[in-house]
Amino acid sequence: GENVEQHPSTLSVQEGDSAVIKCTYSDSASNYFPWYKQELGKRPQLIIDIRSNVGEKKDQRIAVTLNKTAKHFSLHITETQPEDSAVYFCAASIGDSSYKLIFGSGTRLLVRP
Amino acid sequence: ETGVTQTPRHLVMGMTNKKSLKCEQHLGHNAMYWYKQSAKKPLELMFVYSLEERVENNSVPSRFSPECPNSSHLFLHLHTLQPEDSALYLCASSQDQMGASYNEQFFGPGTRLTVL
Repeated sequence: GENVEQHPSTLSVQEGDSAVIKCTYSDSASNYFPWYKQELGKRPQLIIDIRSNVGEKKDQRIAVTLNKTAKHFSLHITETQPEDSAVYFCAASIGDSSYKLIFGSGTRLLVRP
Repeated sequence: ETGVTQTPRHLVMGMTNKKSLKCEQHLGHNAMYWYKQSAKKPLELMFVYSLEERVENNSVPSRFSPECPNSSHLFLHLHTLQPEDSALYLCASSQDQMGASYNEQFFGPGTRLTVL
């Protein structure tokens, strides 16, 4: 079945360094890839998303890249800050569904001050 | 209240109990979702309703029964649950545009369920 793998499961970086989280997906028909951030005890919130017709999207310190051929997409956070500490989930749409998402297993990011 | 709200926030129930979780969205969206979040499977889609019709059921056990009486309200009825059903149950909503671009799913705060 459809699957999204996410690595690493935990990531610890020094404040100011960059953090990269990688995901791979199995459904070649997937065409929507959102990233959600979940702070401790809070709800997941969308931080950035990308559609299959672009290879890269940037929003201030956050960027996402997509390689459809390899079925890889990645989240890049530059100049990390302690408030970036959270669990990050990648997701991929399933086929041409406009609402069915398969989530990765999450990455717990810790930014050390 | 704004956004997506869920009640109760915490629920402890025995395996023979019947309880219901409630979700309400104040965003004017037309699609609502139930997710299960646990240590084993961090975000697992359970049910999707679009325009009040159930369009997705990922083979969830029948002890979970969803109900969507209108586009703003979503319920999850629980009966004869098992201890392994203990998890955080998250509701979400989005504006579904059939055949058009995907839209952000807004999550509620969740109901922490413990089955004894």
